[in-house]
Amino acid sequence: EAAVTQSPRNKVAVTGGKVTLSCNQTNNHNNMYWYRQDTGHGLRLIHYSYGAGSTEKGDIPDGYKASRPSQENFSLILELATPSQTSVYFCASGDGDWGDTQYFGPGTRLLVL
Amino acid sequence: GDSVTQTEGPVTVSESESLIINCTYSATSIAYPNLFWYVRYPGEGLQLLLKVITAGQKGSSRGFEATYNKETTSFHLQKASVQESDSAVYYCALNNYAQGLTFGLGTRVSVFP
Repeated sequence: EAAVTQSPRNKVAVTGGKVTLSCNQTNNHNNMYWYRQDTGHGLRLIHYSYGAGSTEKGDIPDGYKASRPSQENFSLILELATPSQTSVYFCASGDGDWGDTQYFGPGTRLLVL
Repeated sequence: GDSVTQTEGPVTVSESESLIINCTYSATSIAYPNLFWYVRYPGEGLQLLLKVITAGQKGSSRGFEATYNKETTSFHLQKASVQESDSAVYYCALNNYAQGLTFGLGTRVSVFP
């Protein structure tokens, strides 16, 4: 059974609209992460969290907010979506130990028109 | 910031031949980051292949090996004899203790019978 799930798997949004990407993990990991992957850039870290109630900025946080209401759930929020945010988004959870191994979800493909 | 550079793909290799994917890193915030190889097989999600958290040590999995070389800041991935099932995209990555991963761009490997 998949330990990190994401919803929706595909999303089409309009410019200026609000988009919420959801992630759920059953690994009981403290750390969770949001990345985006674009051609020519690999995966880049947007936001991460050390536990319920915490969110931290990653390398490219502009235009994104994050919410961690519980150990299991971590959301990525685009308040005003732009075409430049068209991408594939990956959520991951990590065990938080030294040598933190991260376990990835299947990804969400977002198209902003 | 941190960065990872790896062999630019695509790489095409025949079954039973050897494979090496080069990876070099630059870590500005920590002397000895943790190093990882992740892999994405066709139709599957990103998953950990191997990791090494101690300089000088070697990690291995599924016939692949990688040695953490702090002198050359490298973490090359090697396999002596590849199989068609090794066709995938391989990502080298580093982290600085639970602050997210920094990925290379990925190397697409195609193994032909």
